[in-house]
Amino acid sequence: DTGVSQDPRHKITKRGQNVTFRCDPISEHNRLYWYRQTLGQGPEFLTYFQNEAQLEKSRLLSDRFSAERPKGSFSTLEIQRTEQGDSAMYLCASSLILSSGTFGSGTRLTVV
Amino acid sequence: AQTVTQSQPEMSVQEAETVTLSCTYDTSESDYYLFWYKQPPSRQMILVIRQEAYKQQNATENRFSVNFQKAAKSFSLKISDSQLGDAAMYFCAYRSQHLTGANSKLTFGKGITLSVRP
Repeated sequence: DTGVSQDPRHKITKRGQNVTFRCDPISEHNRLYWYRQTLGQGPEFLTYFQNEAQLEKSRLLSDRFSAERPKGSFSTLEIQRTEQGDSAMYLCASSLILSSGTFGSGTRLTVV
Repeated sequence: AQTVTQSQPEMSVQEAETVTLSCTYDTSESDYYLFWYKQPPSRQMILVIRQEAYKQQNATENRFSVNFQKAAKSFSLKISDSQLGDAAMYFCAYRSQHLTGANSKLTFGKGITLSVRP
C-alpha cells in the first residue's frame, strides 16, 4: 500500500463551475477526514467518515460542499458553484481508531 | 473548543545547530494528544512526534524532542543537529482523547516556516 492518494494534484476552475476531488485512503483505515488549508494557515477540519457514514461536518462546509464515501473505501469531495474563496489546498487523511492518521499530498484548487 | 497557537511565523537555524519551535494550546480536557507535523514543499503532512498528555516523560524521536509543560499548556519542539532536509513548515496539532466523531479530528496551529542555512 502506497499511502493516501489524492487526485488531482492541481485543479484550476472558473468561478461558478463544479469540481470534484477524490481521496483513496490506506485500505485498512476505517476513518477518513477532509481538511482545507489556505495560504499561511494550518489545516481546518471539514468533515469526517467512519467507514461509509459521514459522522461530522464542520460549519465551514457550506451547502455547496458535499462529501461521500461509498462502501467505506475512496471518498469524493464536491464543490458546487465554486467561488474565489474556495481556493485552497484540500487535504485528505485516513486513520485507524488510535492512530494519528496519514495525510495525502492534497489537491490545490484555484478558482479564477 | 480547543485552540492551538503558534506565534512565530518564521524561524531560521544554521545547519548542525539546535532550534526550538514554540506552541501553546488551550483546552478544558485533561487527557489529549499533541503532535508536531512537518509539511515540506512537496506538501504531504508527515508526523514528526506525538505526545500523550497523561505521560510525564517528554517524547523523543531521534533528533526531535518535545518539552511538554501541561500546566502551562505549552508544547515546544526541539530539533537538534539541524539538517537541510528539516526545512519545511511545522504544525503543532491537538487531538482529544475522546475518539468519537469529530473529537477525533486534529486542530492545527497556523504553522511556522523553518529555514536551514548551510
